[in-house]
Parts: sequence; C-alpha cells; structure tokens
Amino acid sequence: DSGVTQTPKHLITATGQRVTLRCSPRSGDLSVYWYQQSLDQGLQFLIHYYNGEERAKGNILERFSAQQFPDLHSELNLSSLELGDSALYFCASSVIQGRGTDTQYFGPGTRLTVL
Amino acid sequence: GENVEQHPSTLSVQEGDSAVIKCTYSDSASNYFPWYKQELGKRPQLIIDIRSNVGEKKDQRIAVTLNKTAKHFSLHITETQPEDSAVYFCAASKRGPSGGSYIPTFGRGTSLIVHP
Repeated sequence: DSGVTQTPKHLITATGQRVTLRCSPRSGDLSVYWYQQSLDQGLQFLIHYYNGEERAKGNILERFSAQQFPDLHSELNLSSLELGDSALYFCASSVIQGRGTDTQYFGPGTRLTVL
Repeated sequence: GENVEQHPSTLSVQEGDSAVIKCTYSDSASNYFPWYKQELGKRPQLIIDIRSNVGEKKDQRIAVTLNKTAKHFSLHITETQPEDSAVYFCAASKRGPSGGSYIPTFGRGTSLIVHP
C-alpha cells in the first residue's frame, strides 16, 4: 500500500457524461500527478499540482480539468466523455517539488469505462 | 518533446536467468530515470531509479545503467524468480516549464515472464 488513495475504484458511464475522480496523496506529500493508462497510448502524464497550484500540463484534453484543494486532495474532472476516454487513471504523489529526484507513489487507480 | 523507446516488448526467461530491458530517450534535458514494475491490475511501483550524474546503481538483484552520451539506460534483473513476472516501464524525466515538476515520459512497457 503506497498510502495514496483513489476513489472510485471502478466507474462505468455513458458517452457525453461527466465524471469526477478523486485522489488523496500520502500524508505530507504536496505534489499530485495525474496519469492516464490505456492500451493505445500507454502511460501518459496529464497534469501536475503542487500545493494547490497547477505546475505542469502534459497530454491533457481540454475536456479534462483538475484541481488540488487546500487539504491537498485532488480531483480530475472528465467531461463530454467519449469511448476513447476509457482507461485506467492513476494519481501519484511525491514529497517535495524539485529535489533532483521525484519519487512518485502511485495510487491504486480508477478504471473508467465509457459505454 | 521527449520520446522513449523500450525493448523488448515481451521477454520470456527461465527462473534463475538474467533479464535485461533497454530504453533509449531523445531529449538530453532528461536527467532522472525511474523504473516501475506493474503487476496485472495493480499500480506501478518504483523499483529503482537513477540520476544523470550516476552511471550505475544496484539494489540487490536489480541494477540500472545509464549512458548519457548514447542516451540509453537499461534495467538488469539477475537470478529471476516467478514473482518478478510483471510489466516493467522505464521513464525519462525532466524539469517542467515551472522549474519544479519532473515530467516523465514512459516507455511502452516490457512484459517479463519468468517460467519456473
């Protein structure tokens, strides 16, 4: 157990819908990263938050957004869902920003199925 | 942007043999190289990492080597065991535009199968 929690574990929804994925980082970790893992694209970085602020964006669609709250938990919002959004979504947390290495601890993931 | 190639995509070995997985990267700004192990249906777990100022790092049966000039790095697992069976991902990370984030680009993964 990495100490990172994600809810829900599974999510099944229809095209066009909107969902929210939640992540709680390890105690004391200020950084939260979001990733998407699919068979087509592999493991891809989406976005990074540090202490409530967005710090970097990767291959994140405009239909997707995220935020990190004062208690450091983070939410990833996916809207106007398409079949191709079906994937495993992981968040990861790390201790501190910019220490030269950035050991990231992954949560168990949310499996999203769009029908 | 960064491009990480990982080979082979599948590796089948007998228990006790060694396994080597290789990755190449394109962006010389990448300076942190973690390796993750992901068992079926589970989360990726960091198994070893190396920074660009180090050429080799070992942790028991696992070692990683880095050749900055050639832009490639490798994972070596000795005395493989059936519980080593999993998908292994390499990543090349570099600082993001804000200067603080380490943005990883992952390889496509290697499925390692260790036969008893």
